[in-house]
Amino acid sequence: QKEVEQNSGPLSVPEGAIASLNCTYSDRGSQSFFWYRQYSGKSPELIMSIYSNGDKEDGRFTAQLNKASQYVSLLIRDSQPSDSATYLCAVIAGYSSASKIIFGSGTRLSIRP
Amino acid sequence: GAVVSQHPSRVICKSGTSVKIECRSLDFQATTMFWYRQFPKQSLMLMATSNEGSKATYEQGVEKDKFLINHASLTLSTLTVTSAHPEDSSFYICSALILSPQGRTQYFGPGTRLLVL
Repeated sequence: QKEVEQNSGPLSVPEGAIASLNCTYSDRGSQSFFWYRQYSGKSPELIMSIYSNGDKEDGRFTAQLNKASQYVSLLIRDSQPSDSATYLCAVIAGYSSASKIIFGSGTRLSIRP
Repeated sequence: GAVVSQHPSRVICKSGTSVKIECRSLDFQATTMFWYRQFPKQSLMLMATSNEGSKATYEQGVEKDKFLINHASLTLSTLTVTSAHPEDSSFYICSALILSPQGRTQYFGPGTRLLVL
């Protein structure tokens, strides 16, 4: 089992709709959770970080964390063509300060006009 | 968010030469930086963890004598690809770790695209 799992997609969503991206992780000791956006040919850009259960909203983005279910999601409201990218879920597993960030393989999101 | 820069953004070199890539944290001090490599349409691959003032920690399968990492200051880490070959052509991305009361966050540089002829 992969440590951080995402559906590779592509996920196709019509413009203006809500895009829902999901991620599960295997280490129950994980404490920090992130969503990065990566455009083709560019480096990943941090768009959301979440550290406690519940929802965290930032503009059109909402991250949801459920530690009991080991599940983190990203909702993008009013999807725009510029949201088309690969979204990487990342988790820092474990309690040690030396714990590494583990990335999922990414979900390709395509917003169709 | 925090700013991490890389230089150069792209480099073309001849096979057998060495290439140095710089990674800087611009508005914060980073005791820990990471170096990744990404081939087209593939996932990020962690190469090594760079710790200020100490030796880098390399991931399994990454040759430490080929990919030299130096982290001599709190704002600069360098990756030198020695005796580069065409198979080393890739997108090299650094990132820096920030510690906050909430937890740890990692910010990426813009990446360096290396083409070895």
